[in-house]
Amino acid sequence: EPEVTQTPSHQVTQMGQEVILRCVPISNHLYFYWYRQILGQKVEFLVSFYNNEISEKSEIFDDQFSVERPDGSNFTLKIRSTKLEDSAMYFCASSETRLDGGRNSPLHFGNGTRLTVT
Amino acid sequence: KNEVEQSPQNLTAQEGEFITINCSYSVGISALHWLQQHPGGGIVSLFMLSSGKKKHGRLIATINIQEKHSSLHITASHPRDSAVYICAVRSNTGNQFYFGTGTSLTVIP
Repeated sequence: EPEVTQTPSHQVTQMGQEVILRCVPISNHLYFYWYRQILGQKVEFLVSFYNNEISEKSEIFDDQFSVERPDGSNFTLKIRSTKLEDSAMYFCASSETRLDGGRNSPLHFGNGTRLTVT
Repeated sequence: KNEVEQSPQNLTAQEGEFITINCSYSVGISALHWLQQHPGGGIVSLFMLSSGKKKHGRLIATINIQEKHSSLHITASHPRDSAVYICAVRSNTGNQFYFGTGTSLTVIP
């Protein structure tokens, strides 16, 4: 069964450094998402992406964050200048179609990247 | 404010017991998801519902749109069902998702 893959599984970085988290969504999926989960807290929505642009973003997704689909397969989340509070598990997800119209489609999650900012 | 509330927060059951996890939400939704998060952190989508009821093996999910409530049932629970179960809803006014805090289930042999 096709999977969403994320790399690396664990990333350690120093405060102020830029990090790029990578995701390869399922190949025929059209909608891509990033979520984060701070240790011991609930999962939080960051951003959704469709047709090479952000379709929605949360308050968390400020100017320090950006997303990109640089080629036909990768979907990346960049944090420009990491802060200690960015330490979290970051999940990528994809879905085949838009969920609020037409045929509903479930989310498929990657295994996550654990980001530790020191 | 929490757009999605789950109960209970923690649940311990004996193997074989019937389990119910509840989810209430306060926003208009286009779909509700039940997710399973394993101890290692990975998330698996169990169900996506917009109405009625779905069944997959020993898992059953129901939703009542009028009451803004959903339940996840596990029949004949097994220790391998031990995980955190998360309710998440997709707003009907955009592509925003809201997550519950999860229900941590432990099934004892």
